[in-house]
Amino acid sequence: DIQMTQSPSSLSASVGDRVTITCRASQSISSYLNWYQQKPGKAPKLLIYAASSLQSGVPSRFSGSGSGTDFTLTISSLQPEDFATYYCQQSYSSWAFTFGPGTKVDIK
Amino acid sequence: QLQLQESGPGLVKPSETLSLTCTVSGGSISSSSYYWGWIRQPPGKGLEWIGSIYYSGSTYYNPSLKSRVTISVDTSKNQFSLKLSSVTAADTAVYYCASIYVVVTAIPFDYWGQGTLVTVSS
Repeated sequence: DIQMTQSPSSLSASVGDRVTITCRASQSISSYLNWYQQKPGKAPKLLIYAASSLQSGVPSRFSGSGSGTDFTLTISSLQPEDFATYYCQQSYSSWAFTFGPGTKVDIK
Repeated sequence: QLQLQESGPGLVKPSETLSLTCTVSGGSISSSSYYWGWIRQPPGKGLEWIGSIYYSGSTYYNPSLKSRVTISVDTSKNQFSLKLSSVTAADTAVYYCASIYVVVTAIPFDYWGQGTLVTVSS
């Protein structure tokens, strides 16, 4: 199984801050990496697919980068609606998807 | 835009079978662009992929759940379903259905249902 880790597990930030979340795979997954945002009581929402492609309708302050084993999700200027938990997910392992444990972003 | 809605009992007894259905609207479940999947999230925990199905009936399951999971599709009703047998308290979770967009290489879960909480308890 491909294991996914995320760091940090949580962070506190202020509106306007630049926020970076890291996701690491236990083996190379090329660019088969997606990012999701989940708010309390809601379903996850796709933000970034294929490591760096912005899903339609997602604000451009969100960006993704990386390939192989190391990936980052960056929020260039944190907005009040961005306080949420963020998950990475690999789709390299043929139809054996796994998610990272999540990173909770809350208000400083 | 696709919309997905889960339905089924919110309470299941231990050792029994959990059964959920996902109804797809805004598009056809027979679209070649999509697989369809189930994901669950225990209270306060992370996300776990359960399994996926194509309209043709082709399925993939999480190895850790494979012995207890069956996913099926009903194209006439635009629905797909999940059955999880021999449930225990560890299967208590919010269960989500989602579409899997297979046109792009990273095959993301692009649309999700709102989720339904299933509690396993006597």
